[in-house]
Amino acid sequence: TQLLEQSPQFLSIQEGENLTVYCNSSSVFSSLQWYRQEPGEGPVLLVTVVTGGEVKKLKRLTFQFGDARKDSSLHITAAQPGDTGLYLCAGANAGGTSYGKLTFGQGTILTVHP
Amino acid sequence: ETGVTQTPRHLVMGMTNKKSLKCEQHLGHNAMYWYKQSAKKPLELMFVYSLEERVENNSVPSRFSPECPNSSHLFLHLHTLQPEDSALYLCASSRQTGGWQNTEAFFGQGTRLTVV
Repeated sequence: TQLLEQSPQFLSIQEGENLTVYCNSSSVFSSLQWYRQEPGEGPVLLVTVVTGGEVKKLKRLTFQFGDARKDSSLHITAAQPGDTGLYLCAGANAGGTSYGKLTFGQGTILTVHP
Repeated sequence: ETGVTQTPRHLVMGMTNKKSLKCEQHLGHNAMYWYKQSAKKPLELMFVYSLEERVENNSVPSRFSPECPNSSHLFLHLHTLQPEDSALYLCASSRQTGGWQNTEAFFGQGTRLTVV
């Protein structure tokens, strides 16, 4: 059974601060995805990282996939109240019987105070 | 228009009731999923349908019964549920490309289910 450990579980910061969320596993994934979920809504895909060592940027968000494809991080620069939400990492495997199934981390609840 | 639409958004049902959750995707995807999101637990995969065929039942109790009549619609039929089944039920869809390489899932808004 593959597991993803996400940390921290809770993060409460002031507007303008930087933060990093980590997602770690003992298993290798073919890709890793980051989602953001707001209360009462479903997760919304932010980014997919595929190649070991890959770095992707989405405005103030920087995503990195570990060289061994077992871990990932999400860094937010100058956080804003609009960044508040639940951040989820999810790992996927390729192959005929994987069917696009995702293994999720527990999530990080981020609160950015004005 | 939302790519993946779930109805109802909220549902309260008694333990002896029978109800159904509906999911519709407008993205032309060929795989659909049911996930369960409970407090303090990671999202749990329940069922996977690929090309309208159920390919995975992740040890889900028989009181949950999925149905996929075509590639755009997915149902989850519920009967004799327990209070611990209260959760957010999320539907997702994806497109199979080259052996499920880099599959990305698109989620609906979920149905908040409360069993009383």
